[in-house]
Order: sequence, then C-alpha cells, then structure tokens
Amino acid sequence: GAGVSQSPSNKVTEKGKDVELRCDPISGHTALYWYRQSLGQGLEFLIYFQGNSAPDKSGLPSDRFSAERTGGSVSTLTIQRTQQEDSAVYLCASSPRVAIGGGNTIYFGEGSWLTVV
Amino acid sequence: AQSVTQLGSHVSVSEGALVLLRCNYSSSVPPYLFWYVQYPNQGLQLLLKYTTGATLVKGINGFEAEFKKSETSFHLTKPSAHMSDAAEYFCAVGGTTDSWGKLQFGAGTQVVVTP
Repeated sequence: GAGVSQSPSNKVTEKGKDVELRCDPISGHTALYWYRQSLGQGLEFLIYFQGNSAPDKSGLPSDRFSAERTGGSVSTLTIQRTQQEDSAVYLCASSPRVAIGGGNTIYFGEGSWLTVV
Repeated sequence: AQSVTQLGSHVSVSEGALVLLRCNYSSSVPPYLFWYVQYPNQGLQLLLKYTTGATLVKGINGFEAEFKKSETSFHLTKPSAHMSDAAEYFCAVGGTTDSWGKLQFGAGTQVVVTP
C-alpha cells in the first residue's frame, strides 16, 4: 500500500481481555517496528522485526505483550489480560532493509488508540 | 546508551516569527538524529534527519536543523512560522549498527502558533 496501515484505529476493551493490533507495512519494506505513545511515558520502542525475526524485543514491557510477523509482511501485536496502564496509542512503522546509516527513513502509521476500561 | 532531551514541552510563537525548538542528545557513538512532527490524531512524519556529512540539514515545510557535535545539539528552526506548523515535534536519536531500528525519542514539544 501507499503507507503503513494499522487496524483497528480505535479500540475500547475491558480490563482483563486480550487485544490484537494489526500492522500492514509499506510494500517492500522488510523492517517493521512497534512503538507505544502514552501520556506518562512518551514514545517508547517496543519491538522491531527484520523479515519475520525480531532481533530486538527489548522494549516489550511485560510477558503479556507479544508480537509476530509472518510472511515478512503483516504483523500482529497482542496484549493479553489488558490492564488500564496499557491504554496508549500503538504506532507501527516500517523501513527498507538497509540500516539508518544508509539514509533510509522509518515511516509511521497513524496508530491504534487503545483504551482499557 | 542514547537519550534525548527536548527543552520546553510547550512553545508559543506568533505567525511569521522564528520557530526554535531545542534538542540535546547523549550518545556514545556518532549519532543519527531525527526530527518528527505529529499533527493531531495522526502518526509521525519525518521532517528531517542527520546521518553523516553536512551538519546543516534542510527538511520539509521550510524547517532546518544543525548538528553541533561540540554542543551535542540538534536544534530545529524555521524562519517564519505558519499557522499550519501547530503540532507536536519530536527529536529522536538512533542508528547504532546493532540497534538501528530503535529510535530514542524526546518527550516532545507542543507548538502553538498565534495570529
């Protein structure tokens, strides 16, 4: 597609429920990233994928958070047993394979707004 | 470890006046530096980036930033503010070879433009 696509754009869920957030990167981009944006914590890195593997998942805040990517394209971020502190905007981004030093840009989607009530 | 400090969480400028957003970074390796803008209810859009080479970097919408290694700064400027510049601006550092996908963002600066 023309840009990074995320769904749902808004999600309200009850505490304790599981949620899945989907990201469809720009066509041809092999690198995919998840970030979280919240009032208290600002923008936080969660995980990134190169192809289907995740070299860096150091930002996942707890074992309730997981992400997968299949076919080198779409990724799903899953939050199990959601808590109120999980309320945030979850941003997905993608870039071509070449490292930042090569001048490639990370392109962000518009985010999935998650509210846990 | 890398980190970014943005001075001022809110900045108010008059239309036509200079926009100056301050960013200082900490990095143990030569940094790659970025400025992103976020309009309400939208994702992040890249304004400009510094990787190597010329230290004065020009971006979209008339913005530019200068990398000053001695001051560990990467301040963003625009000579004349426009109403459409009202948004939140984020400075970010990243790009080490083993974590090039991991950007460290500043807390953001909200820009308000007054007529």
